[in-house]
Amino acid sequence: EIVLTQSPATLSLSPGERATLSCRASQSVSSSLAWYQHKPGQAPRLLIYDASNRATGIPARFSGSGYGTDFTLTISSLEAEDFAFYYCQQRSNWYSFGQGTKLEI
Amino acid sequence: EVQLVESGGGLVRPGGSLRLSCAASGFNFGVHGMNWVRQAPGKGLEWVSTINWDGRTTGYAGSVRGRFTISRDNARASLFLQMNSLRVEDTAFYYCTELGDAYSPGYWGQGTLVTVSS
Repeated sequence: EIVLTQSPATLSLSPGERATLSCRASQSVSSSLAWYQHKPGQAPRLLIYDASNRATGIPARFSGSGYGTDFTLTISSLEAEDFAFYYCQQRSNWYSFGQGTKLEI
Repeated sequence: EVQLVESGGGLVRPGGSLRLSCAASGFNFGVHGMNWVRQAPGKGLEWVSTINWDGRTTGYAGSVRGRFTISRDNARASLFLQMNSLRVEDTAFYYCTELGDAYSPGYWGQGTLVTVSS
């Protein structure tokens, strides 16, 4: 099974700042990687698919990059509603999730 | 409006069985692969199982393979998860989900809680 490792576990930033979240795969997943945002009590929301494509309705401040084993989710200028948990997910060999990054104020 | 409504969770003893159901509406269920994802209390998301649109292809996480079985009934727009030989570590909220891609934003149910305890 492909293991995804996210870093950092917790990221403390302020509104307006830039957030950079990382995800590393134990083997190449090509571009088959997605990112989700998850707030407690709500359903996870797909942000990015195929490593760099924004899902429907996702603001342009969210961007994804990477290929193979190293991936990045960037939020260019944080807004109050962006503080949440973020998970990467590989879709190359069935599925698996990273352990998550908590983005806190 | 898209709805995925899970049911069938509850308290079960280690070694026991449960069958989860998910009733889908508001989208073309029969053309989408579907999944079960779980989240243990205080933990992250964990993929459990996937079934393709016609039910012929299935996949499982190593932690549940051989114990859980996913199935679907497209005529009734329903997804199922038969869980046998349950363990304490299977305790979690179980979500029915279409994970989303270029053609779908993704859909999730509200989850059903499975508690495995003696």
